[in-house]
Amino acid sequence: QQQVKQSPQSLIVQKGGISIINCAYENTAFDYFPWYQQFPGKGPALLIAIRPDVSEKKEGRFTISFNKSAKQFSLHIMDSQPGDSATYFCAARDLSGGSYIPTFGRGTSLIVHP
Amino acid sequence: DGGITQSPKYLFRKEGQNVTLSCEQNLNHDAMYWYRQDPGQGLRLIYYSQIVNDFQKGDIAEGYSVSREKKESFPLTVTSAQKNPTAFYLCASSIDGPYLENTIYFGEGSWLTVV
Repeated sequence: QQQVKQSPQSLIVQKGGISIINCAYENTAFDYFPWYQQFPGKGPALLIAIRPDVSEKKEGRFTISFNKSAKQFSLHIMDSQPGDSATYFCAARDLSGGSYIPTFGRGTSLIVHP
Repeated sequence: DGGITQSPKYLFRKEGQNVTLSCEQNLNHDAMYWYRQDPGQGLRLIYYSQIVNDFQKGDIAEGYSVSREKKESFPLTVTSAQKNPTAFYLCASSIDGPYLENTIYFGEGSWLTVV
């Protein structure tokens, strides 16, 4: 059972456009939602994260929007640049379950054309 | 600099061979993880360890084995029982415990190809 569903699987955007990646979850006990960015041949790295007590978090051109009632969260990349081309993973973690291991989405491959 | 070192970066395995991927971290993290990455499959957890001399199976542990004899080391052995081992393998670590912003740090990965 896929606990965090991520879409789209791939995304092509023109330079300067907005990239939007969506994730949906089922477990209402999830309490921490990080996004990871992975460049080809490298390991993922934390990009930005949000807790469910806020609806939005912004860091530079990257924004997480969080809708607790809909159990959805999304990553928005404003003014997308070719250097943003990477695979993006959303994740969610349930502390109450006693495990600190996040559940990852399947990833979105983003290509930003110059 | 602190980080996670995986070796080798590229490894070729013959049918029937066991191979071991190395993972060392100097972040003083208690928890360590192994993930497998295949195109379109995301990150799948193989094994994890929250403390020395203890480890737990993840979602796809069959055909793999690990050890955790030292805090900083968590090697992964891909055994001949793993029928489709060709993949990108990622080692990771984190502080263990109920810290809300518990970031997982990943190594650079190891490519394993069966020849």
